[in-house]
Amino acid sequence: GENVEQHPSTLSVQEGDSAVIKCTYSDSASNYFPWYKQELGKGPQLIIDIRSNVGEKKDQRIAVTLNKTAKHFSLHITETQPEDSAVYFCAATLPHGSGNTGKLIFGQGTTLQVKP
Amino acid sequence: NAGVTQTPKFRILKIGQSMTLQCAQDMNHNYMYWYRQDPGMGLKLIYYSVGAGITDKGEVPNGYNVSRSTTEDFPLRLELAAPSQTSVYFCASRTTLYEQYFGPGTRLTVT
Repeated sequence: GENVEQHPSTLSVQEGDSAVIKCTYSDSASNYFPWYKQELGKGPQLIIDIRSNVGEKKDQRIAVTLNKTAKHFSLHITETQPEDSAVYFCAATLPHGSGNTGKLIFGQGTTLQVKP
Repeated sequence: NAGVTQTPKFRILKIGQSMTLQCAQDMNHNYMYWYRQDPGMGLKLIYYSVGAGITDKGEVPNGYNVSRSTTEDFPLRLELAAPSQTSVYFCASRTTLYEQYFGPGTRLTVT
């Protein structure tokens, strides 16, 4: 089945710097890759996603890139702010069919700390 | 839209007790999921449902049961609670385009 590896497990940056979190996946048939932000005591919140027919997607200060050949995707946060501090999870899913129902396989999470 | 709602927010159970975690969504999503998240870990899928009356096991289903009688509700039942079930439980629902939205979670402690 699909497996997702996420690095680093912790990341500390100064306010205003950029942060990059990387994930690799094992099944080349995966076609949807979301990123979630989880603040302390809250549920994961979908912040951006990318589909396999797109190489890059941007939404204000966050962007996601996908390299299908290498089977990895990355989250980029620019001009980081203290409120970006949270745990970030990547995930991947296989398309419907062949017994798959679009279940998400999550990475292990990255704790991002943005120092003022 | 309220999105995905979960009750209760917190609960303490004694070993051997049972309880039902409630989950509801008002987005008319067919797909719903239950996850557990242990401290410092990612999310593990317990059960999921692709529509009313249809449920299936995820990665860690032992000790849990689910039912899906309506599109809106997807309760998770814990029978004979054990300390290993101490965790934070998240319910989620999903659009047809894969976007998955999570509830606020239920923090469960079994002592």
